Amino acid sequence: SAVISQKPSRDICQRGTSLTIQCQVDSQVTMMFWYRQQPGQSLTLIATANQGSEATYESGFVIDKFPISRPNLTFSTLTVSNMSPEDSSIYLCSVREGLIFEQFFGPGTRLTVL
Amino acid sequence: KNEVEQSPQNLTAQEGEFITINCSYSVGISALHWLQQHPGGGIVSLFMLSSGKKKHGRLIATINIQEKHSSLHITASHPRDSAVYICAVNSGSRLTFGEGTQLTVNP
Repeated sequence: SAVISQKPSRDICQRGTSLTIQCQVDSQVTMMFWYRQQPGQSLTLIATANQGSEATYESGFVIDKFPISRPNLTFSTLTVSNMSPEDSSIYLCSVREGLIFEQFFGPGTRLTVL
Repeated sequence: KNEVEQSPQNLTAQEGEFITINCSYSVGISALHWLQQHPGGGIVSLFMLSSGKKKHGRLIATINIQEKHSSLHITASHPRDSAVYICAVNSGSRLTFGEGTQLTVNP
């Protein structure tokens, strides 16, 4: 199974600032995803991080607000830009090898925006 | 109506009890996942099922494709089993999540 680490594990940020979350996987994976989990809610897919090209965003999420990089098959970053209290959530990195293979999740980054 | 529905939403049990969490879905799927989320937020994959039954330690997961229903059972529950249990289904390339079941096991 893939082992995923995320940095930071948690942060408290001021309104209007930006935070970049890093995701590192211990093996090369084809598919990497970023999810958001708002308080009391289930997971929502933000985007699929594509290696060497622009991420594929889900409806309701835009690149200006959530820029994503994926320079190689083991690493990705998600930036939460111009933050507001509504961005307070857990952000999770996830990986999968194919369409129906097991999906693995990182430990999450708990973000609080004041 | 959500594509993936779980019941119950909240469950409190005494240590040692047998626990069942249910998941129903309304779409065609290629696989179903049971996930465990602890208070810190990290998620652990417990099972991936496409048919039948799987067992790992005290955990058992079953799926009935015809009835579009899956169950997660925990035998001899323990306080360390306290967590949110999430059912998720692969429909095409997308993973769709249930709302989760908050399980609390009291000593």
